[in-house]
This record gives sequence, structure tokens and C-alpha cells, in this order.
Amino acid sequence: GAGVSQSPSNKVTEKGKDVELRCDPISGHTALYWYRQSLGQGLEFLIYFQGNSAPDKSGLPSDRFSAERTGGSVSTLTIQRTQQEDSAVYLCASSLGRLNYEQYFGPGTRLTVT
Amino acid sequence: ELKVEQNPLFLSMQEGKNYTIYCNYSTTSDRLYWYRQDPGKSLESLFVLLSNGAVKQEGRLMASLDTKARLSTLHITAAVHDLSATYFCAVADSGAGSYQLTFGKGTKLSVIP
Repeated sequence: GAGVSQSPSNKVTEKGKDVELRCDPISGHTALYWYRQSLGQGLEFLIYFQGNSAPDKSGLPSDRFSAERTGGSVSTLTIQRTQQEDSAVYLCASSLGRLNYEQYFGPGTRLTVT
Repeated sequence: ELKVEQNPLFLSMQEGKNYTIYCNYSTTSDRLYWYRQDPGKSLESLFVLLSNGAVKQEGRLMASLDTKARLSTLHITAAVHDLSATYFCAVADSGAGSYQLTFGKGTKLSVIP
């Protein structure tokens, strides 16, 4: 079946602009995670959604980062006033539930802030 | 704070040789994952280890988990070039309600003909 999809695959933006990154999880998966992969910091957790519960935002690096998940499915990660240190690959993962074992990762969005 | 350490970070090995990648973690967890990442690609799940003593094998790769030692190993048998990739271990933080993954820094494996 279809896996996790993300768009765009690449995004180049100027410093100070806002960007939106989209994630479509696997159908039926209630848990959705955003991670960030950068050369300096490796792979880091950002935010977690489970069904209609309040998200776990404990990994967001600053208040410029926010995310929402509409209808328990598609998620959008928004970065406001982008900075060069935001350049990274943003990965989305989904799983059947919080306690389910497998997290399936999407292809990622490579964000470059110039 | 959960910490995950992998070693080595870089591994160059000849085809046909055996080697082991180690993954240590700092707090109790009941789930450990191994992922593979090819350049420019996303993460591919290799193994999920859920209990002490768990051992899983797929082809030339075998993963094991010792929860008492907080150690997992990924053993490579008779390496082939196709295994060249970066391998990550990740531990689910059961102290965090979301079971988010904390990753090691990855082991970049190059298999030389």
C-alpha cells in the first residue's frame, strides 16, 4: 500500500520567510511524528500527534515552529521567519498507534534557507 | 534524558568480512529499532527488538538486544557492497508519552570490494 508521503521534496527559501511542509501518513495510522535530520544535530524528535489528543510539542526548538494535524490525517509543519540553522531534512513518520511498534518514515523534505 | 551512543561512527570493511556495530543507551527502554539510510533517502526499518534477549536476523544482518546491559548489536556477516549505507539505532523513550524515538548518530558503513 501507499507509504508516508511528504511535500515538497525540496524547498529553498530566503531567510525570514515562512515555510509549510506537508505530511500524508499511511491511511489508518493514528500516530504521526515529525523529526529533523541535520548534519550538526543528527536526527531529532520535533512533535507528535495521536488521534485527537493534544500534541506533544516537547521537541520543537523554538516558538517559530508549529504544526497542526487536520482531521486526524494530514499534518503541516510551519516554520516562521526561517533562519539558516533551520536548514535540514524534515522527516515525517506514522504508526498505527502510540503503542504500536513500527514507525514508518516518509521520504523527507529538504529545506535550505539562504 | 535518554542518550543513545553508537560506535563506530565510520566503518570501512572488505567484502566477505564480519563486523559488529554497537548501540548503548542510557535509560530503561523496552523497544529498540535499527534503521538503514541510503544517501539522499529516508529511513528503512530493519529490526524492532522488544524484549531482553531478542534476536532477529535478515539476510546478512543480525540484531540482538540486552536490556540489562542497555546494549544492542547489529552484526554483519560476510559483508557485500550492497550493505553500504548508514545504520541508525533508535530507542523509544517510554518515559515520554509519545514513545518518540531517540537516535544514535549513525554508523556509516562502506563495504569495499
